[in-house]
Amino acid sequence: KAGVTQTPRYLIKTRGQQVTLSCSPISGHRSVSWYQQTPGQGLQFLFEYFSETQRNKGNFPGRFSGRQFSNSRSEMNVSTLELGDSALYLCASSPQRAGEETQYFGPGTRLLVL
Amino acid sequence: GESVGLHLPTLSVQEGDNSIINCAYSNSASDYFIWYKQESGKGPQFIIDIRSNMDKRQGQRVTVLLNKTVKHLSLQIAATQPGDSAVYFCAENPGSNYKLTFGKGTLLTVNP
Repeated sequence: KAGVTQTPRYLIKTRGQQVTLSCSPISGHRSVSWYQQTPGQGLQFLFEYFSETQRNKGNFPGRFSGRQFSNSRSEMNVSTLELGDSALYLCASSPQRAGEETQYFGPGTRLLVL
Repeated sequence: GESVGLHLPTLSVQEGDNSIINCAYSNSASDYFIWYKQESGKGPQFIIDIRSNMDKRQGQRVTVLLNKTVKHLSLQIAATQPGDSAVYFCAENPGSNYKLTFGKGTLLTVNP
């Protein structure tokens, strides 16, 4: 099976702009999670979607939002970008069935905010 | 809890040696644990997982040990190779909330 794919891989934006990142999960996986990775804070959970519903959300401001489509593909949006939003944004997919909770990560989108 | 104030622990080993990477987890309610490997410029790659009803699990060249009494995980890599050089993260899933909490990571460097 193809792995998790994320687009774009690299992005440069300026403060105040907004950005949309895309994630396509592994075929058959209905759960998609998003994480932010920075050198200072490590890997931090943003949110998780399953069957188009957000089931859990991390401690990030409302500028960070996401959604999931009926084909399980997901997008996350960051509005009014700040310099501190520069990070690697990782998407992970999982079957999320009993006994199958492992999350498999994509390569990430590296966002630089200037 | 969440990772804060990262100073990445490092482990340097010689090729062919065994490596042991340690991780302390925070939530006694966690029932599922995963080790990931992250190479530079890539996303985390699944290595091995273990459930809280086990204390040891073996894979190919890797073994994970779980000590619930002291909330400690370890990853043992046998016959470490240069290709094993990466940052290794442990992650815990505190029971059906669909969220992984990651440790700060350990940088493993394998010297030829």
